Amino acid sequence: GENVEQHPSTLSVQEGDSAVIKCTYSDSASNYFPWYKQELGKGPQLIIDIRSNVGEKKDQRIAVTLNKTAKHFSLHITETQPEDSAVYFCAASIGGAQKLVFGQGTRLTINP
Amino acid sequence: NAGVTQTPKFQVLKTGQSMTLQCAQDMNHNSMYWYRQDPGMGLRLIYYSASEGTTDKGEVPNGYNVSRLNKREFSLRLESAAPSQTSVYFCAGRQGYEQYFGPGTRLTVT
Repeated sequence: GENVEQHPSTLSVQEGDSAVIKCTYSDSASNYFPWYKQELGKGPQLIIDIRSNVGEKKDQRIAVTLNKTAKHFSLHITETQPEDSAVYFCAASIGGAQKLVFGQGTRLTINP
Repeated sequence: NAGVTQTPKFQVLKTGQSMTLQCAQDMNHNSMYWYRQDPGMGLRLIYYSASEGTTDKGEVPNGYNVSRLNKREFSLRLESAAPSQTSVYFCAGRQGYEQYFGPGTRLTVT
């Protein structure tokens, strides 16, 4: 079955710097890759997603890149701010987007 | 719209007790999901319902049952709670490719 590996498990960056979180997946049939942000005590919130027919997608300070050949995708956050501190999860679809398999999560801390 | 709502927010059970976690959505989702979240393990799928009247097992279904009562509601039942079921439980609904999560239920089994 699908396996999603996420790295690093923790990441600490200075405010204003960039942060990159990487994920690899195993099932070449996966075609949808969302990223979620989870703040303390809340449910995961979808922040950006990408489908397999696109290599990159941007939304203001966040971007996601996808390399289907290598089976990896990454989240890029530029000009980080204190409110970016949270746990981030990547996921990959299985069963034609019917289900998602999640990575283990990255705790991102932005230092002022 | 409230989105996806879950009750209760917190619950403490003794080993062997039973309870039902409730989930409701007002976003007209066809598909709904139950996940558990444990430290360092991301979210793992327990059960899902692709449409009203259907349910299927996910990655970790043992010890749980579900009911898709109608299009809006999807409940998760623990018949005989065990300490290994201590976790945070999230319900989600799906619109197209996107899944939207509720606020979670933190369950402790002693």
